[in-house]
Amino acid sequence: EDKVVQSPLSLVVHEGDTVTLNCSYEVTNFRSLLWYKQEKKAPTFLFMLTSSGIEKKSGRLSSILDKKELFSILNITATQTGDSAVYLCAVSNFGNEKLTFGTGTRLTIIP
Amino acid sequence: EADIYQTPRYLVIGTGKKITLECSQTMGHDKMYWYQQDPGMELHLIHYSYGVNSTEKGDLSSESTVSRIRTEHFPLTLESARPSHTSQYLCASSATPLAELTDTQYFGPGTRLTVL
Repeated sequence: EDKVVQSPLSLVVHEGDTVTLNCSYEVTNFRSLLWYKQEKKAPTFLFMLTSSGIEKKSGRLSSILDKKELFSILNITATQTGDSAVYLCAVSNFGNEKLTFGTGTRLTIIP
Repeated sequence: EADIYQTPRYLVIGTGKKITLECSQTMGHDKMYWYQQDPGMELHLIHYSYGVNSTEKGDLSSESTVSRIRTEHFPLTLESARPSHTSQYLCASSATPLAELTDTQYFGPGTRLTVL
């Protein structure tokens, strides 16, 4: 059974700080790892990673995948209060079309 | 990017009622999904569909049923709602094979269901 573990479960930092969110996984026939941001309602897509060692970047957010060590990190630099959300990590495999989600990291940015 | 819609956004009903949660997407995505999420908990897949007339049960057992008669429409039905069905229900869709980002699921705004 595929498994995704995110850490920390919760994180509170001050505006302007840099944060690193972790996601480790166990999956048979790994295909991709995805990061989502969930504020009040539905998750919104951030990144999809399939290749090891290649950083994906979007503004202040970046993510990298290590397929050997089976983990990914999501970095947010110069955090803003609008970054407060739950960040979800999910993995897919080649066997089916489903995503397995972690429980998420709740990030709170204090002004 | 997908446009995906869910109605109603909020629903409060009594025990025993039959309800249908609507989900529609306008991007022609073949794959559609229903997730259940309790507050502060992870998303659980309850149903998915690879295309018209294709429906499968997900990882979490659910008393709900789904249908996929049209590509753009994936309604979820509870024949007799119970308080244990109280949750948020999220619908998602993803692109057809060979397209970029085929694993990326785009989510609707969700329906928060409360059964009294």
